[in-house]
Amino acid sequence: NAGVTQTPKFRILKIGQSMTLQCAQDMNHNYMYWYRQDPGMGLKLIYYSVGAGITDKGEVPNGYNVSRSTTEDFPLRLELAAPSQTSVYFCASSYRRTENIQYFGAGTRLSVL
Amino acid sequence: QKEVEQNSGPLSVPEGAIASLNCTYSDRGSQSFFWYRQYSGKSPELIMFIYSNGDKEDGRFTAQLNKASQYVSLLIRDSQPSDSATYLCAVDLNNDMRFGAGTRLTVKP
Repeated sequence: NAGVTQTPKFRILKIGQSMTLQCAQDMNHNYMYWYRQDPGMGLKLIYYSVGAGITDKGEVPNGYNVSRSTTEDFPLRLELAAPSQTSVYFCASSYRRTENIQYFGAGTRLSVL
Repeated sequence: QKEVEQNSGPLSVPEGAIASLNCTYSDRGSQSFFWYRQYSGKSPELIMFIYSNGDKEDGRFTAQLNKASQYVSLLIRDSQPSDSATYLCAVDLNNDMRFGAGTRLTVKP
């Protein structure tokens, strides 16, 4: 199984540009998450989804948008990129809410210059 | 305010020693607790999780919870150089997962 797949692995954006970070999982997990990780810091939850068509804000949602049209895919949209969005972005998925064991993708390293 | 705090380290132990990592959490309603390992430049991977009702041992790893003092610990016995990584503590409350900043562990041969 591929698990959680994120694309692209690296990206450089100019200030004000937009982009979509892709995330797909093939484990039939209902729950999916987007985190960002700044250097020397823990993971901050941006958005999460408990199933297709259902999304909710996490701790740091400003400047981002998500959609969940299928169980497998959970893209993260950055509108009007800012230098403060320079970070490593991780997508994760989990199967059971009671355990919430999350499986992470390899990450997308984004620089906004 | 839900927060998870860890000593950032670095924590250095000799090979074969016991490494002890701790984290504290602020929300008494937290229900489950996780330890993830993250190698430099890689994504987090789950080491162990425990519920609020007890400790857990898995091979060289033991996770312990002290609910009264609101801290979680991870013990790594017979530490190996391959255990050198950053260890992230995470606390889950109703699907709102909060991560600590991590403790960097170095195991010296």
